[in-house]
Amino acid sequence: QAGLTQPPSVSKGLRQTATLTCTGNSNNVGGLGGAWLQQHQGHPPKLLSYRNNNRPSGISERFSASRSGNTVSLTISGLQPEDEADYYCSAWDSSLNAWVFGGGTKLTVL
Amino acid sequence: QVQLVESGGGVAQPGRSLRLSCAASGIRFRNYIMHWVRQAPGKGLEWVSCTSHDGSGKFYADSVKGRFTISIDDSKNMLYLQLNSLRPDDTAMYHCVGEGGGAFDLWGQGTVVLVSS
Repeated sequence: QAGLTQPPSVSKGLRQTATLTCTGNSNNVGGLGGAWLQQHQGHPPKLLSYRNNNRPSGISERFSASRSGNTVSLTISGLQPEDEADYYCSAWDSSLNAWVFGGGTKLTVL
Repeated sequence: QVQLVESGGGVAQPGRSLRLSCAASGIRFRNYIMHWVRQAPGKGLEWVSCTSHDGSGKFYADSVKGRFTISIDDSKNMLYLQLNSLRPDDTAMYHCVGEGGGAFDLWGQGTVVLVSS
């Protein structure tokens, strides 16, 4: 099943802003939007946002999601060392009747 | 306390079967769509399957269709995944995941499946 496209890695400095992107098509992120998850090494993923910019309770406002066409983005402001992790986007694909994930972006905080 | 606890993983030879279980506590299945998501060693996340709380709606990834079967026992708060005709590329950590109001809201720690001869 075709997945979503994410850049493999992004590096930014401490306290800077990082924007991670995820591209799909009109059947997935361009339809109902996408979700973003954060995964630290050795831990299960944690949901950061869903349906573009809804944050679960307890998720910092430093994490903000948006959508433009068939691309969803996650912006992380004021980067902290603990933000260094793998980030995955995901969306329901209405043509496949399946959830699809991006390959993940490894964020390095310099 | 909200918790998802997987069990049933282990080592299996190619072509054999395993049954994974997920015990849920602190949630009511009727408020969730339940998923299995796997992650091969050093790789990204791969959605496997999901089911509604009453089992009326089930979906599968193409990679497991016809080999894996998801089931749910709402009365026992248990989710299952029957893995048949296992292949080496099924080797992964398998997570039980609950989708509430969001997307993949609740995650278990996972159970490891290793398919090897």
